[in-house]
Amino acid sequence: GDSVTQMEGPVTLSEEAFLTINCTYTATGYPSLFWYVQYPGEGLQLLLKATKADDKGSNKGFEATYRKETTSFHLEKGSVQVSDSAVYFCALLGSYNQGGKLIFGQGTELSVKP
Amino acid sequence: DTGVSQDPRHKITKRGQNVTFRCDPISEHNRLYWYRQTLGQGPEFLTYFQNEAQLEKSRLLSDRFSAERPKGSFSTLEIQRTEQGDSAMYLCASSSERGEETQYFGPGTRLLVL
Repeated sequence: GDSVTQMEGPVTLSEEAFLTINCTYTATGYPSLFWYVQYPGEGLQLLLKATKADDKGSNKGFEATYRKETTSFHLEKGSVQVSDSAVYFCALLGSYNQGGKLIFGQGTELSVKP
Repeated sequence: DTGVSQDPRHKITKRGQNVTFRCDPISEHNRLYWYRQTLGQGPEFLTYFQNEAQLEKSRLLSDRFSAERPKGSFSTLEIQRTEQGDSAMYLCASSSERGEETQYFGPGTRLLVL
């Protein structure tokens, strides 16, 4: 079945460092891919998404490119801030499952130190 | 657009008791989803409604779990005879049917079964 694998955390960075959180997926067809962020004590917020190969999603300085050849959707940010500290989830929505369930990775906790 | 709301935000109960959670989706959204998230894991799909019809249920949704969306607006998730393993965050999300796949999440209900 479809699945998502993320790099394990926690990831600890200093402010203004470069961030990469790896995400790879297994799916039939052409899934849509998402990054959600969860701040402490809150629900999930959509960070960015991409719906087809080579699409780049971007928001708040974060970017991710849908790479079908490597089945990856890595999250990057050029300069992290303390306020970026949160748990980041990669997720997919299968192309044969429109309107159905999201499949999430296990999450990667990011801690940014001043 | 007031976002997805969930009630209660926290629930502590004793093993064997029944609990019910409520989710109010974004008003124009006709799709509603329930997920369960345990500590350190990504959310796992439980069930999904389109209007009042329950279209998909996960195998995670045992006979003790039931979900309803009687008028196609708010939804309830009931857990009967709770067990300690039911302790988790229960997340609700909603989306529209107009080809927009993004699911918007509520703040969640944290359940602790003693």
